[in-house]
Amino acid sequence: DAGVTQSPTHLIKTRGQQVTLRCSPKSGHDTVSWYQQALGQGPQFIFQYYEEEERQRGNFPDRFSGHQFPNYSSELNVNALLLGDSALYLCASSPLAGGQFPDTQYFGPGTRLTVL
Amino acid sequence: GEDVEQSLFLSVREGDSSVINCTYTDSSSTYLYWYKQEPGAGLQLLTYIFSNMDMKQDQRLTVLLNKKDKHLSLRIADTQTGDSAIYFCAEPGGNDMRFGAGTRLTVKP
Repeated sequence: DAGVTQSPTHLIKTRGQQVTLRCSPKSGHDTVSWYQQALGQGPQFIFQYYEEEERQRGNFPDRFSGHQFPNYSSELNVNALLLGDSALYLCASSPLAGGQFPDTQYFGPGTRLTVL
Repeated sequence: GEDVEQSLFLSVREGDSSVINCTYTDSSSTYLYWYKQEPGAGLQLLTYIFSNMDMKQDQRLTVLLNKKDKHLSLRIADTQTGDSAIYFCAEPGGNDMRFGAGTRLTVKP
């Protein structure tokens, strides 16, 4: 059973560029959440997708956008990159109501984004 | 307070017990979680406790929950060098998960 997968593993961009990160949820999960983890901090919630819609959003600017596809995979897009966007971006998936632990989130290995 | 709080560092000797503490914010949280993050890796779900429990034991791990004080702890018995990592407590906040800043556990041989 494949867990949550993310690509790419590492990415280097320059200020002002745009980036797309990808995530495939754990088998049987249909909800995907994205988090930003800056160095030395805990993950911060960006947004969550369910049924191809953004269901909830954290305190992040509109430069951060996402998409969920019919197969439940998801993309995170960040426009006009800033130096402060350098972080580990984590994707998490969870089962919806009907699963044993609907709140539980399972994380992928992350994408390390460096903005120069 | 508004944030999930944890002490930042803990250092123990191999074979000793480790206790990592956390104060959470929402007394209505259904579950509370502990995640482990090894260097350069994502978060691994370590264990969880249902809010109507005071204690949960899972092999070397013991989770204690004090709902009155909103205090959660993780005890690791017979700590090994492979336990060196950052440990995050987390509480669900609706559709998201709120994390502490993480406790870096260092295990010395």
